[in-house]
Amino acid sequence: NAGVTQTPKFQVLKTGQSMTLQCAQDMNHEYMSWYRQDPGMGLRLIHYSVGAGITDQGEVPNGYNVSRSTTEDFPLRLLSAAPSQTSVYFCASSKNRGQAEAFFGQGTRLTVV
Amino acid sequence: AQSVSQHNHHVILSEAASLELGCNYSYGGTVNLFWYVQYPGQHLQLLLKYFSGDPLVKGIKGFEAEFIKSKFSFNLRKPSVQWSDTAEYFCAINTNAGKSTFGDGTTLTVKP
Repeated sequence: NAGVTQTPKFQVLKTGQSMTLQCAQDMNHEYMSWYRQDPGMGLRLIHYSVGAGITDQGEVPNGYNVSRSTTEDFPLRLLSAAPSQTSVYFCASSKNRGQAEAFFGQGTRLTVV
Repeated sequence: AQSVSQHNHHVILSEAASLELGCNYSYGGTVNLFWYVQYPGQHLQLLLKYFSGDPLVKGIKGFEAEFIKSKFSFNLRKPSVQWSDTAEYFCAINTNAGKSTFGDGTTLTVKP
């Protein structure tokens, strides 16, 4: 059982480049979300989805796009990378939006130069 | 708006010392409460959770937490820490409206 799989694990981008962080889960979870983790700031919610075809913004959505065409996949797109987007990104999934625990991927460490 | 506050940013303890990490939340409705742990270089994992019932919940590795509704608190405790408990600890709330909110995290360093 793979759980939540994120790729890549590490990435270096130049300012202005675009890229997609991949996230896939094999637990048939409805709820998926993306967070960024910065020192001293905990995890901040970027975007989330309560099911295929439904997405919504979190605390810090600017500069990021998401889509949810299938239950399994929830990619995060950086449209035009900026140094302020240097961070560790975590994808998470849970069975539902309320009481279920979140299962996290291993994270993607992104550096924008 | 919902928020989570963790009082201690960095805690340093010696092995066998007792641990208590503070967590307070702000939300006007029903919340589901979680503590997650992140060991160095790893992803977050669930320690324990509370939805309803007995406000004292027990989790993995000897951790427990107490929900005090009147204080909007969900403090994490362990009677005797080990070196292997060195990690970052996050308190989080989920609301049935859908959004999860995490605290800023507390880094625990246990000296052998």
